Amino acid sequence: DGGITQSPKYLFRKEGQNVTLSCEQNLNHDAMYWYRQDPGQGLRLIYYSQIVNDFQKGDIAEGYSVSREKKESFPLTVTSAQKNPTAFYLCASSIGADNEQFFGPGTRLTVL
Amino acid sequence: GIQVEQSPPDLILQEGANSTLRCNFSDSVNNLQWFHQNPWGQLINLFYIPSGTKQNGRLSATTVATERYSLLYISSSQTTDSGVYFCAVESYTNAGKSTFGDGTTLTVKP
Repeated sequence: DGGITQSPKYLFRKEGQNVTLSCEQNLNHDAMYWYRQDPGQGLRLIYYSQIVNDFQKGDIAEGYSVSREKKESFPLTVTSAQKNPTAFYLCASSIGADNEQFFGPGTRLTVL
Repeated sequence: GIQVEQSPPDLILQEGANSTLRCNFSDSVNNLQWFHQNPWGQLINLFYIPSGTKQNGRLSATTVATERYSLLYISSSQTTDSGVYFCAVESYTNAGKSTFGDGTTLTVKP
């Protein structure tokens, strides 16, 4: 099956710990994205990557880091510098920039 | 950056009714998508529609790029249409950066 997978579905961490969220796609898409959603709000862009080994900051990149070493993978690390990390995190991909985006099922992160 | 406003913020309908959701944006766009977020959080693609009109079953969408708005029409609504509808745009000056509206929460009652 072609698609975007995110793991885990639910994640709990203690305050002060870094945590890495996985995003994999087998759609052969060049572009990948990470968004954050807080309750009752829309999605906000954290980081995006238009091609392997390249990525740009989105609107709320502080406290997050990413890597894009492989076309199919775009992991997101939530660092201890992120003040309010508890949120729903969504990964997306598209053939290229400006094209239709497709989303994974998301990871709900709770920091205790 | 580009601003996106969706209206109404909340909408309650009786099953079978029709509805129109609106998305206004503040700059020229080269990409506009409508999504439906289900109760489990999954975003489902409805339309990729930077301009023009498209239809898919009971749903249709129109984007008037020159006037900077898009409309999503839902006809003969069903309870399964309930959820949050988002509009997302990319401006010409920020390729690759999508901006989402805050969504319209639709509740369809049986």
